[in-house]
Amino acid sequence: AQSVTQPDIHITVSEGASLELRCNYSYGATPYLFWYVQSPGQGLQLLLKYFSGDTLVQGIKGFEAEFKRSQSSFNLRKPSVHWSDAAEYFCAVGARAGGTSYGKLTFGQGTILTVHP
Amino acid sequence: EAGVTQFPSHSVIEKGQTVTLRCDPISGHDNLYWYRRVMGKEIKFLLHFVKESKQDESGMPNNRFLAERTGGTYSTLKVQPAELEDSGVYFCASSQAHRGRETQYFGPGTRLLVL
Repeated sequence: AQSVTQPDIHITVSEGASLELRCNYSYGATPYLFWYVQSPGQGLQLLLKYFSGDTLVQGIKGFEAEFKRSQSSFNLRKPSVHWSDAAEYFCAVGARAGGTSYGKLTFGQGTILTVHP
Repeated sequence: EAGVTQFPSHSVIEKGQTVTLRCDPISGHDNLYWYRRVMGKEIKFLLHFVKESKQDESGMPNNRFLAERTGGTYSTLKVQPAELEDSGVYFCASSQAHRGRETQYFGPGTRLLVL
C-alpha cells in the first residue's frame, strides 16, 4: 500500500529565508506526486505535480520540488519565503492506472508553516 | 470557469441526526472524489466516482455513509446516523478522466461537527 510521510509537523521560518519541506513516499512503482497548500479558511490548492520526465518541477508562487527516486523523496523548496506563504502544506501520492483504485490520493500528515516578519 | 463547490460550508448536528453534504464538480469532469480529514489526522480517501458509477469505495468507513452521484453531475454524501467520530472536514475533488494521470481540483470543504 502506498504511504506518505511528512516528518515535520510544524516549521517556522523568517520572511525572506529559504524553505524546504520534506516528503517521503512509499509506492511500488514510479508515483504521481503532488504538493497542495491550504491557507486558513480555504480549500486545497495545487502547487505543483510530477508525472514523469524532468525531476525538477516548477510550480506556482515560486515553489519547486525535486523527485529523487533513490531517496523516495519529493521535497518542496522556495528560495525566499513571503509572509503570505504561511499555510499548511500537503504532499500526496496518486495511484496509477492498473487497478480499480487509480487516481485516489494518499496524503501526508501535513506541515504547518509559520512565517515570522 | 467555476471551481468545485461544496455545501454547506459548516454543519453542526447532534449525534444520531442525519447530515447530507453536497459537491458540485467542475463542469465536464468525470472523476469525483470524496476525502475526509479528522482533526489531527491526515486527509483520507473515501470514494471515487467515474460519472455516476462508484469506481472505488474502499475508503468508506462504514455503512452509515452513503454517497450518490446523480446523472454524473453533483454528488451527495449522507451520514446517517452521525456519530461523534464523524466530525471533521469533508473535501470533494474532481478531475478529467485520465485514469490516474490527472490533476484533482479541490473544493473548500465542509466542516462537520457532531455533538
